[in-house]
Amino acid sequence: NAGVMQNPRHLVRRRGQEARLRCSPMKGHSHVYWYRQLPEEGLKFMVYLQKENIIDESGMPKERFSAEFPKEGPSILRIQQVVRGDSAAYFCASSRLTSGGAYEQYFGPGTRLTVT
Amino acid sequence: DQQVKQNSPSLSVQEGRISILNCDYTNSMFDYFLWYKKYPAEGPTFLISISSIKDKNEDGRFTVFLNKSAKHLSLHIVPSQPGDSAVYFCAASGAGNTPLVFGKGTRLSVIA
Repeated sequence: NAGVMQNPRHLVRRRGQEARLRCSPMKGHSHVYWYRQLPEEGLKFMVYLQKENIIDESGMPKERFSAEFPKEGPSILRIQQVVRGDSAAYFCASSRLTSGGAYEQYFGPGTRLTVT
Repeated sequence: DQQVKQNSPSLSVQEGRISILNCDYTNSMFDYFLWYKKYPAEGPTFLISISSIKDKNEDGRFTVFLNKSAKHLSLHIVPSQPGDSAVYFCAASGAGNTPLVFGKGTRLSVIA
Protein backbone atom coordinates (compact mmCIF):
# COMPACT_ATOMS: atom_id res chain seq x y z
CA ASN A 1 0.00 0.00 0.00
CA ALA A 2 1.90 2.99 -1.31
CA GLY A 3 2.01 6.08 0.85
CA VAL A 4 1.63 9.68 -0.22
CA MET A 5 3.93 10.36 -3.17
CA GLN A 6 5.43 13.69 -4.08
CA ASN A 7 7.63 14.69 -6.96
CA PRO A 8 10.05 16.06 -7.59
CA ARG A 9 11.87 15.66 -4.29
CA HIS A 10 14.15 18.57 -5.09
CA LEU A 11 13.44 21.46 -7.42
CA VAL A 12 15.71 24.36 -8.28
CA ARG A 13 14.25 27.37 -10.05
CA ARG A 14 15.63 30.79 -10.97
CA ARG A 15 13.74 33.85 -9.86
CA GLY A 16 10.80 34.50 -12.17
CA GLN A 17 10.35 30.89 -13.28
CA GLU A 18 7.40 28.65 -12.49
CA ALA A 19 7.47 25.75 -10.03
CA ARG A 20 5.09 22.81 -10.25
CA LEU A 21 4.85 20.39 -7.35
CA ARG A 22 2.91 17.14 -7.62
CA CYS A 23 1.21 15.00 -5.01
CA SER A 24 -0.52 11.64 -5.29
CA PRO A 25 -2.55 10.79 -2.18
CA MET A 26 -2.70 7.41 -0.50
CA LYS A 27 -5.05 4.90 -2.05
CA GLY A 28 -8.55 5.44 -0.76
CA HIS A 29 -7.87 9.01 0.37
CA SER A 30 -9.94 11.74 -1.21
CA HIS A 31 -8.64 14.75 0.71
CA VAL A 32 -5.36 16.52 -0.01
CA TYR A 33 -3.64 19.24 2.01
CA TRP A 34 -0.57 21.29 1.17
CA TYR A 35 1.72 22.67 3.87
CA ARG A 36 4.90 24.72 3.71
CA GLN A 37 7.80 24.56 6.12
CA LEU A 38 10.32 27.37 6.35
CA PRO A 39 13.68 26.72 8.06
CA GLU A 40 13.37 26.29 11.85
CA GLU A 41 9.59 26.64 11.64
CA GLY A 42 6.62 24.32 11.94
CA LEU A 43 4.47 23.37 9.02
CA LYS A 44 2.00 26.02 7.89
CA PHE A 45 -1.25 25.12 6.15
CA MET A 46 -1.70 26.42 2.63
CA VAL A 47 -4.66 24.78 0.91
CA TYR A 48 -7.13 21.89 1.31
CA LEU A 49 -8.66 20.18 -1.72
CA GLN A 50 -10.98 17.37 -2.63
CA LYS A 51 -11.32 16.05 -6.15
CA GLU A 52 -12.04 19.01 -8.43
CA ASN A 53 -12.78 21.29 -5.49
CA ILE A 54 -10.83 23.73 -3.36
CA ILE A 55 -12.30 23.49 0.13
CA ASP A 56 -10.07 25.92 2.03
CA GLU A 57 -7.31 28.10 0.60
CA SER A 58 -7.04 30.48 3.53
CA GLY A 59 -3.33 29.76 4.01
CA MET A 60 -2.28 30.33 0.45
CA PRO A 61 -0.81 33.64 -0.73
CA LYS A 62 -3.33 35.47 -2.92
CA GLU A 63 -0.89 36.03 -5.77
CA ARG A 64 1.34 33.64 -7.73
CA PHE A 65 0.14 30.49 -5.92
CA SER A 66 -2.56 28.13 -7.15
CA ALA A 67 -3.57 24.53 -6.51
CA GLU A 68 -5.72 21.94 -8.18
CA PHE A 69 -6.77 18.34 -7.66
CA PRO A 70 -8.28 17.15 -10.94
CA LYS A 71 -10.61 14.22 -11.37
CA GLU A 72 -7.75 12.22 -12.83
CA GLY A 73 -4.13 12.56 -11.83
CA PRO A 74 -2.20 14.10 -8.96
CA SER A 75 -2.79 17.30 -7.07
CA ILE A 76 -0.62 20.16 -8.35
CA LEU A 77 0.69 23.15 -6.41
CA ARG A 78 1.83 25.83 -8.85
CA ILE A 79 3.98 28.81 -7.97
CA GLN A 80 4.39 31.38 -10.70
CA GLN A 81 7.25 33.90 -10.92
CA VAL A 82 9.08 32.39 -7.95
CA VAL A 83 11.03 34.60 -5.56
CA ARG A 84 13.78 33.69 -3.08
CA GLY A 85 11.26 33.77 -0.22
CA ASP A 86 9.44 30.82 -1.80
CA SER A 87 12.40 28.58 -0.97
CA ALA A 88 11.03 26.04 1.49
CA ALA A 89 9.96 22.45 1.93
CA TYR A 90 6.46 21.83 0.60
CA PHE A 91 4.60 18.87 2.07
CA CYS A 92 1.46 17.22 0.84
CA ALA A 93 -0.79 15.20 3.14
CA SER A 94 -3.86 13.10 2.50
CA SER A 95 -6.67 11.75 4.61
CA ARG A 96 -9.76 9.67 4.18
CA LEU A 97 -13.26 11.08 4.40
CA THR A 98 -14.68 11.16 7.89
CA SER A 99 -18.13 11.98 9.20
CA GLY A 100 -16.68 14.39 11.73
CA GLY A 101 -14.83 11.95 13.89
CA ALA A 102 -11.16 11.34 14.32
CA TYR A 103 -8.87 11.14 11.35
CA GLU A 104 -5.16 11.35 10.62
CA GLN A 105 -3.32 13.09 7.84
CA TYR A 106 -0.48 11.14 6.25
CA PHE A 107 2.38 13.09 4.76
CA GLY A 108 4.54 12.65 1.71
CA PRO A 109 8.34 13.09 1.72
CA GLY A 110 8.12 16.69 0.60
CA THR A 111 9.51 18.77 -2.25
CA ARG A 112 12.41 21.02 -1.40
CA LEU A 113 12.21 24.12 -3.55
CA THR A 114 15.28 26.27 -3.92
CA VAL A 115 15.02 29.58 -5.75
CA THR A 116 18.32 30.99 -6.97
CA ASP B 1 -0.35 34.56 16.82
CA GLN B 2 0.67 30.97 17.54
CA GLN B 3 -2.26 28.76 18.39
CA VAL B 4 -0.06 25.72 19.11
CA LYS B 5 3.13 26.22 21.08
CA GLN B 6 6.01 23.93 21.82
CA ASN B 7 8.14 25.97 24.16
CA SER B 8 11.14 23.64 24.32
CA PRO B 9 13.12 23.72 21.09
CA SER B 10 15.23 20.78 22.20
CA LEU B 11 15.40 17.98 24.74
CA SER B 12 18.13 15.47 25.58
CA VAL B 13 17.33 12.21 27.33
CA GLN B 14 19.38 9.14 28.19
CA GLU B 15 18.50 5.88 26.52
CA GLY B 16 16.04 3.88 28.60
CA ARG B 17 14.67 6.90 30.45
CA ILE B 18 11.36 8.68 29.84
CA SER B 19 11.05 11.50 27.30
CA ILE B 20 8.31 14.05 27.95
CA LEU B 21 7.45 16.51 25.21
CA ASN B 22 5.02 19.30 25.96
CA CYS B 23 2.57 21.31 23.90
CA ASP B 24 0.18 24.16 24.75
CA TYR B 25 -2.68 25.50 22.68
CA THR B 26 -4.88 28.56 22.83
CA ASN B 27 -7.89 27.71 20.65
CA SER B 28 -10.61 26.03 22.71
CA MET B 29 -12.32 24.94 19.47
CA PHE B 30 -9.62 22.39 18.74
CA ASP B 31 -11.15 18.95 18.79
CA TYR B 32 -8.34 16.62 17.89
CA PHE B 33 -4.63 16.55 18.71
CA LEU B 34 -1.83 14.66 17.00
CA TRP B 35 1.89 14.07 17.38
CA TYR B 36 4.17 13.65 14.40
CA LYS B 37 7.81 12.62 14.26
CA LYS B 38 10.10 14.00 11.58
CA TYR B 39 13.55 12.98 10.43
CA PRO B 40 15.66 15.35 8.30
CA ALA B 41 14.72 15.41 4.61
CA GLU B 42 11.61 13.30 5.22
CA GLY B 43 7.94 14.05 5.71
CA PRO B 44 6.30 13.97 9.15
CA THR B 45 5.25 10.52 10.30
CA PHE B 46 2.04 10.16 12.30
CA LEU B 47 2.69 8.80 15.80
CA ILE B 48 -0.37 9.06 17.99
CA SER B 49 -3.51 11.12 18.42
CA ILE B 50 -6.13 11.98 20.99
CA SER B 51 -9.65 13.27 20.78
CA SER B 52 -10.77 16.11 23.02
CA ILE B 53 -13.22 13.78 24.77
CA LYS B 54 -10.36 11.70 26.17
CA ASP B 55 -7.54 12.51 28.55
CA LYS B 56 -5.14 9.70 27.67
CA ASN B 57 -4.26 7.52 24.72
CA GLU B 58 -1.58 4.86 24.73
CA ASP B 59 0.15 3.01 21.91
CA GLY B 60 3.11 0.88 22.85
CA ARG B 61 5.90 3.09 24.15
CA PHE B 62 3.97 6.26 23.34
CA THR B 63 1.31 7.85 25.54
CA VAL B 64 -0.39 11.18 24.96
CA PHE B 65 -2.05 13.03 27.83
CA LEU B 66 -4.56 15.85 27.34
CA ASN B 67 -5.49 18.41 30.00
CA LYS B 68 -8.29 20.45 28.46
CA SER B 69 -8.69 22.85 31.35
CA ALA B 70 -5.01 23.79 31.07
CA LYS B 71 -5.02 23.57 27.26
CA HIS B 72 -1.97 21.37 27.52
CA LEU B 73 -0.93 18.05 26.10
CA SER B 74 2.17 15.96 26.47
CA LEU B 75 3.78 13.01 24.75
CA HIS B 76 5.55 10.43 26.89
CA ILE B 77 8.00 8.00 25.35
CA VAL B 78 9.19 5.22 27.60
CA PRO B 79 11.69 3.71 27.38
CA SER B 80 13.43 6.14 25.05
CA GLN B 81 15.59 4.64 22.31
CA PRO B 82 18.31 6.21 20.12
CA GLY B 83 16.04 5.72 17.09
CA ASP B 84 13.55 8.10 18.71
CA SER B 85 15.94 11.00 18.05
CA ALA B 86 14.00 13.30 15.71
CA VAL B 87 11.93 16.47 15.70
CA TYR B 88 8.49 16.00 17.23
CA PHE B 89 5.61 18.20 16.15
CA CYS B 90 2.40 18.72 18.03
CA ALA B 91 -0.63 19.48 15.83
CA ALA B 92 -4.28 20.32 16.44
CA SER B 93 -7.44 20.60 14.37
CA GLY B 94 -11.13 21.19 14.60
CA ALA B 95 -13.67 18.43 13.99
CA GLY B 96 -13.74 16.58 10.68
CA ASN B 97 -11.40 17.02 7.75
CA THR B 98 -9.97 20.37 8.77
CA PRO B 99 -6.38 21.56 8.34
CA LEU B 100 -3.81 20.92 11.03
CA VAL B 101 -2.19 23.71 13.03
CA PHE B 102 1.37 22.79 13.97
CA GLY B 103 3.75 23.84 16.70
CA LYS B 104 7.35 24.66 15.81
CA GLY B 105 8.64 21.31 17.01
CA THR B 106 10.93 19.93 19.69
CA ARG B 107 14.18 18.25 18.74
CA LEU B 108 14.63 15.12 20.85
CA SER B 109 18.07 13.59 21.24
CA VAL B 110 18.27 10.21 22.92
CA ILE B 111 21.79 9.56 24.12
CA ALA B 112 23.07 6.01 24.31
